Amino acid sequence: DVKVTQSSRYLVKRTGEKVFLECVQDMDHENMFWYRQDPGLGLRLIYFSYDVKMKEKGDIPEGYSVSREKKERFSLILESASTNQTSMYLCASSGALGIPPLHFGNGTRLTVT
Amino acid sequence: DAKTTQPNSMESNEEEPVHLPCNHSTISGTDYIHWYRQLPSQGPEYVIHGLTSNVNNRMASLAIAEDRKSSTLILHRATLRDAAVYYCILRSSGAGSYQLTFGKGTKLSVIP
Repeated sequence: DVKVTQSSRYLVKRTGEKVFLECVQDMDHENMFWYRQDPGLGLRLIYFSYDVKMKEKGDIPEGYSVSREKKERFSLILESASTNQTSMYLCASSGALGIPPLHFGNGTRLTVT
Repeated sequence: DAKTTQPNSMESNEEEPVHLPCNHSTISGTDYIHWYRQLPSQGPEYVIHGLTSNVNNRMASLAIAEDRKSSTLILHRATLRDAAVYYCILRSSGAGSYQLTFGKGTKLSVIP
């Protein structure tokens, strides 16, 4: 089975801090994604990457950046955390763009105080 | 992605079949119908997908209407572990197919 591992389950950070969320997948998938999930808003795509060092903005990239130096690892960076970035963050991977299913991690619940 | 409409919530008795409906009247010819579910405190989990024909796998069955404007996810025997939020999503096979739009889904409660 595909395993997508997010480094932290819960994280509490202060406003203005730089925050790194890490995600690792073990199936050699080309594509990786970062979503955030908020009550009443569903999942919203922040960034995705279709190859090492390649990235594309999703629907809500403002305040975030990403890094993909190795195929198995995709990092989400909050340059200066703000309280409105308190959310559940979900990483996912898939084999190729198009039809293959997305495999999600269990999420990181980030609280910014 | 085209929009889908699902009931907010449904209930089922344990060990009975469950039919979860989804309307997608604006579906295009290249849109695949995907279903995911999200158990409490977990990330979404892929369940099944299809294009035109009905599909079966170990988790569920997907029944697609002939005009493709609606579909039904069928859980043949609900268990307590099936209590989750179920999302019906359309994914185009073309550009932008990474942009899964998860709506609010259907919250399924399973009664022992």
